[in-house]
Amino acid sequence: ETGVTQSPTHLIKTRGQQVTLRCSSQSGHNTVSWYQQALGQGPQFIFQYYREEENGRGNFPPRFSGLQFPNYSSELNVNALELDDSALYLCASSLGERETQYFGPGTRLLVL
Amino acid sequence: GNSVTQMEGPVTLSEEAFLTINCTYTATGYPSLFWYVQYPGEGLQLLLKATKADDKGSNKGFEATYRKETTSFHLEKGSVQVSDSAVYFCHFQGAQKLVFGQGTRLTINP
Repeated sequence: ETGVTQSPTHLIKTRGQQVTLRCSSQSGHNTVSWYQQALGQGPQFIFQYYREEENGRGNFPPRFSGLQFPNYSSELNVNALELDDSALYLCASSLGERETQYFGPGTRLLVL
Repeated sequence: GNSVTQMEGPVTLSEEAFLTINCTYTATGYPSLFWYVQYPGEGLQLLLKATKADDKGSNKGFEATYRKETTSFHLEKGSVQVSDSAVYFCHFQGAQKLVFGQGTRLTINP
């Protein structure tokens, strides 16, 4: 059974640029959630996708957007990058809402 | 609004000591409650969970009981080991809302 994978592992961007992060969910999982984790903090919920539809969103501006594909993999897009967007971005997949989440290793984004 | 308040760390204990990490939550409805753990150099993984009031989650000697009346889900272990050193996160999932606490770093000394 393949676990949750994320790409890339590290990324450096400059302010104002756009970035796309990718996540492959665990086999059979139809739900993907994205989080932003600053150093020394807990993960902050960005949004969740269930069967290709957005199923909840945290307090993040519209420049954070996402997609889920028919194979349940997912993308997180961030436009107009700001310095404060520097963080670890975590993806987690699950069998549905309120189920155990399985986390990927994360993508570390640095915005200069 | 929805929130999780978790005992601040860092917490340092000696091996075989009793552990409690407090967690309270604010949520509408009846969320599912979780504790996740992050061991050094590893990713987040589930430690235990409870999906309804009075349920007790348990794993690896850790326990937590879903207390609706006090909106709490405190993590306990009777005798900690050096291998329990990690960061522990309290988490709830409600209606389209997922919230983590800020994490508690636990260090166990031999």
